[in-house]
Amino acid sequence: GAVVSQHPSRVICKSGTSVKIECRSLDFQATTMFWYRQFPKQSLMLMATSNEGSKATYEQGVEKDKFLINHASLTLSTLTVTSAHPEDSSFYICSARDLGEKLLFGSGTQLSVL
Amino acid sequence: QKEVEQDPGPLSVPEGAIVSLNCTYSNSAFQYFMWYRQYSRKGPELLMYTYSSGNKEDGRFTAQVDKSSKYISLFIRDSQPSDSATYLCAMKLSGGTSYGKLTFGQGTILTVHP
Repeated sequence: GAVVSQHPSRVICKSGTSVKIECRSLDFQATTMFWYRQFPKQSLMLMATSNEGSKATYEQGVEKDKFLINHASLTLSTLTVTSAHPEDSSFYICSARDLGEKLLFGSGTQLSVL
Repeated sequence: QKEVEQDPGPLSVPEGAIVSLNCTYSNSAFQYFMWYRQYSRKGPELLMYTYSSGNKEDGRFTAQVDKSSKYISLFIRDSQPSDSATYLCAMKLSGGTSYGKLTFGQGTILTVHP
């Protein structure tokens, strides 16, 4: 069945480095994928909408130069956190729409910036 | 006022109890309503998806939507320890540019103890 696969599940990095997170749709094509961020005990906040073959659409307050999104194919979107700092530490989750109206979520990536 | 309000709990019940989770919303334009279950440090898993007012049942889960009162509920019958998780309500406008732009509640932390 349709699944959204996200990697890595956990990453620890030093301040100032860049981290790439991959999101893949398995058994279906996703022209649009979504990236969310979740702080502990808080709900998911939409960061950006990733569109295959075009620029991502960012939500208000999200720095596009900090969070680079690439959606090069119908099954892969990547989020790169550039020059990461401790305040970027969070749980990042991607999602994609299946053949219907339903959104499927990846398993999430816990980013810890030291 | 938040667009979607959900009691964060935590909610603790004995095994076998009936659990009632609720969300209220202020935007009458919301058309699609979802309930997600999220285990710790995992992506949300879709449990129920509804469009119209009324009840929808799936196994031990029943989703209820009352658009006139802007109120949705999720009932869990015969609750099990494996149901212990955070439950998120989510809703969105109809299609088009709002696609995937879910608005989430805060999430309710549920613990079912043996």
